[in-house]
Amino acid sequence: GAVVSQHPSRVICKSGTSVKIECRSLDFQATTMFWYRQFPKQSLMLMATSNEGSKATYEQGVEKDKFLINHASLTLSTLTVTSAHPEDSSFYICSALQGASEQYFGPGTRLTVT
Amino acid sequence: SQELEQSPQSLIVQEGKNLTINCTSSKTLYGLYWYKQKYGEGLIFLMMLQKGGEEKSHEKITAKLDEKKQQSSLHITASQPSHAGTYLCGADYTGGFKTIFGAGTRLFVKA
Repeated sequence: GAVVSQHPSRVICKSGTSVKIECRSLDFQATTMFWYRQFPKQSLMLMATSNEGSKATYEQGVEKDKFLINHASLTLSTLTVTSAHPEDSSFYICSALQGASEQYFGPGTRLTVT
Repeated sequence: SQELEQSPQSLIVQEGKNLTINCTSSKTLYGLYWYKQKYGEGLIFLMMLQKGGEEKSHEKITAKLDEKKQQSSLHITASQPSHAGTYLCGADYTGGFKTIFGAGTRLFVKA
């Protein structure tokens, strides 16, 4: 089946620094990818829809200047958490759409901001 | 999400027992997904339901979508320790795969 990878799987960064998370569709092209975040013992919350070649669409309450999304190619979307703070510590998961019928989730990236 | 309610929040069952998890939407669904997640890991796709009254099975897990397409139930028969984890329902309201997730149900299976 289709595979979506995320890199890194875990990252620890200092408060005030920026960190980039990559989401790749390994064996298919994805014009649309989604980014979710998940706090401990909570469900996934959709942050934004990433469309190849255009600006991302952010959900209400998600700061677009804080969470920069770049979908520069059909197999890669990146989420950059800028000026990270401890409250940004979370599990970030991406998903990629294959065609118009299948959605595949990445394994997630655990971000810890110290 | 207030649009999607999942119950129960957590469930402890004895191995071999059956169980049901419910997911109720405040509005009509285009599609409903069921996923399983182990702590700190990604999502494992279980099944997708789109048609009113549809029922699908995956090994010992069966899910149904009601006729009005606003409620789904996930049923596990003869639960095993391998079934333990968090079960998430996800709602697609537009057909664009933008998924709104329920709060999740944490399932514990006692051997």
